[in-house]
Amino acid sequence: DVKVTQSSRYLVKRTGEKVFLECVQDMDHENMFWYRQDPGLGLRLIYFSYDVKMKEKGDIPEGYSVSREKKERFSLILESASTNQTSMYLCASSTTDTLNTEAFFGQGTRLTVV
Amino acid sequence: GQSLEQPSEVTAVEGAIVQINCTYQTSGFYGLSWYQQHDGGAPTFLSYNGLDGLEETGRFSSFLSRSDSYGYLLLQELQMKDSASYFCAVRDNSGAGSYQLTFGKGTKLSVIP
Repeated sequence: DVKVTQSSRYLVKRTGEKVFLECVQDMDHENMFWYRQDPGLGLRLIYFSYDVKMKEKGDIPEGYSVSREKKERFSLILESASTNQTSMYLCASSTTDTLNTEAFFGQGTRLTVV
Repeated sequence: GQSLEQPSEVTAVEGAIVQINCTYQTSGFYGLSWYQQHDGGAPTFLSYNGLDGLEETGRFSSFLSRSDSYGYLLLQELQMKDSASYFCAVRDNSGAGSYQLTFGKGTKLSVIP
């Protein structure tokens, strides 16, 4: 089974802390994505990566950065956490194969910033 | 940028048929996907349309019209377990050798007895 694993299911952090959310996939996928999900707003793309050390901004990158040093791992970094970053964060991965379009999601990290 | 529009909520009776529409605006369009998400769960892939027409997978079908920038998900013989949120998502060319996957806000489907 394809597996996308996020390091934490629940996190509570203080305002101003640097926060790392980790995501690991075991299917040798080229593409990895970070989304945040808020009620009524759906899944909003923060950043994505199509190769090691490559990254592209999504729709809401402000306040976030990412790191992809190895193909299987994609990290989301909140440089200085703020309360408006309280959300569910979802990581996904997919292949670039045009015939295989499915994206696989991790179980999500519910981050609360206090 | 990209934008997708889908209804926020739909209610349907068990055993009936329901259609969830999605309209989109994007550049470098590759295709339209549908995902299902139960409360507390992760989104899971349902279907993909890269070309115009209907794709059928069991009780679920998905349709795409690229000229109209429109697609829909059709769920037949509704079951209580189909109560979930359904998201359309566009796959479009990011211009960086890969693609961006952008989601709509989701449609919450409630199936009632």
